[in-house]
Amino acid sequence: AQSVTQPDIHITVSEGASLELRCNYSYGATPYLFWYVQSPGQGLQLLLKYFSGDTLVQGIKGFEAEFKRSQSSFNLRKPSVHWSDAAEYFCAVEDYGQNFVFGPGTRLSVLP
Amino acid sequence: GAGVSQSPRYKVAKRGQDVALRCDPISGHVSLFWYQQALGQGPEFLTYFQNEAQLDKSGLPSDRFFAERPEGSVSTLKIQRTQQEDSAVYLCASSLKDRGVTGELFFGEGSRLTVL
Repeated sequence: AQSVTQPDIHITVSEGASLELRCNYSYGATPYLFWYVQSPGQGLQLLLKYFSGDTLVQGIKGFEAEFKRSQSSFNLRKPSVHWSDAAEYFCAVEDYGQNFVFGPGTRLSVLP
Repeated sequence: GAGVSQSPRYKVAKRGQDVALRCDPISGHVSLFWYQQALGQGPEFLTYFQNEAQLDKSGLPSDRFFAERPEGSVSTLKIQRTQQEDSAVYLCASSLKDRGVTGELFFGEGSRLTVL
């Protein structure tokens, strides 16, 4: 069965610093990959998605992610974090014909 | 409506009570999913509807859980004889496309169930 791992449960960065959130998946073929963000008490909002083509994808709020097939990874990055980015971030995989499978999430805290 | 709407936002139930959670998806969306999100965890799949047909209920944890979408729009997730381990946020998501056609999921804000 496919799975998604997010090795970092909680990350703290200072405002203005760069950010990288890790995501690894286990799947035989190239899945469709997503990053969602969840603010406290809110539903999940899509940040970006990868289906095919250019392995570096741009999303909303200045986020980007890079698909690396050799490493089965889809890490999320942002060059300069804002205090409003503090939230829970979920990586997800969609296997064609199956369901979305979400990782356990990484909680991001931002220091002023 | 403009987004996925869920009600109630918060529900407290005594153990053994039945609860019903409602989801109103984005108009015209074919696919509807229910997820369960335990505290500090990612969402876990419960069930999937394509229009009014429940095509996958493999994630429902027990026969106490039941979901329906009779007219292919609003869906209700019912939990009978609630137990403490049912305490979680129940998320509804809809998609314009059929499952597996790489559709983006649009999520509601969730219904937080607390079973005492």
